[in-house]
Amino acid sequence: NAGVMQNPRHLVRRRGQEARLRCSPMKGHSHVYWYRQLPEEGLKFMVYLQKENIIDESGMPKERFSAEFPKEGPSILRIQQVVRGDSAAYFCASSPDPRDGYEQYFGPGTRLTVT
Amino acid sequence: GDSVTQMEGPVTLSEEAFLTINCTYTATGYPSLFWYVQYPGEGLQLLLKATKADDKGSNKGFEATYRKETTSFHLEKGSVQVSDSAVYFCALSDPGGSNYKLTFGKGTLLTVNP
Repeated sequence: NAGVMQNPRHLVRRRGQEARLRCSPMKGHSHVYWYRQLPEEGLKFMVYLQKENIIDESGMPKERFSAEFPKEGPSILRIQQVVRGDSAAYFCASSPDPRDGYEQYFGPGTRLTVT
Repeated sequence: GDSVTQMEGPVTLSEEAFLTINCTYTATGYPSLFWYVQYPGEGLQLLLKATKADDKGSNKGFEATYRKETTSFHLEKGSVQVSDSAVYFCALSDPGGSNYKLTFGKGTLLTVNP
């Protein structure tokens, strides 16, 4: 059973470009979470999605950031018009229904560098 | 809001040494506590967890006890191995409605030399 897949592993963008980060959850998992780790910081919750629904986006910056988890295909975290402060590691996790107390399984992360 | 403070790294030990990584937390509710480990190039893996006071989580020789009176969840291992070299994250989730939302410490890099 493959784990959580994230791609690309490393992404370099110039200021003003768009960044698209992809996350494929573990087989059988329909709940996806995105976390961001800024330099010298711990991972911070960004958004929680189920298939075709955003459940909690309380950790997402209000502008330029969006996330989706379509019926088919991976979850996408999109950052428009990137700025240097967006440089960070972005981790995706997946789980079965969290109400049953299942742990989150994490991907290896995408390291975004904005030049 | 909830927060986790863990020991600053990096920590460098010789093989078979005793390991302690300190972790303290603040939470509005009664959280569950976790230690995650990240090996080089891989995602975070759950190492152990505890869901109520005085519970001891254990796995692969690592242990941590949920201490409500000191709001701590220190990670210990009696004899580390080179293969334990990794980044260790302490985390909590508050079961009061948003139990999916993990709050992490900054991580502690452990290097074990042969």
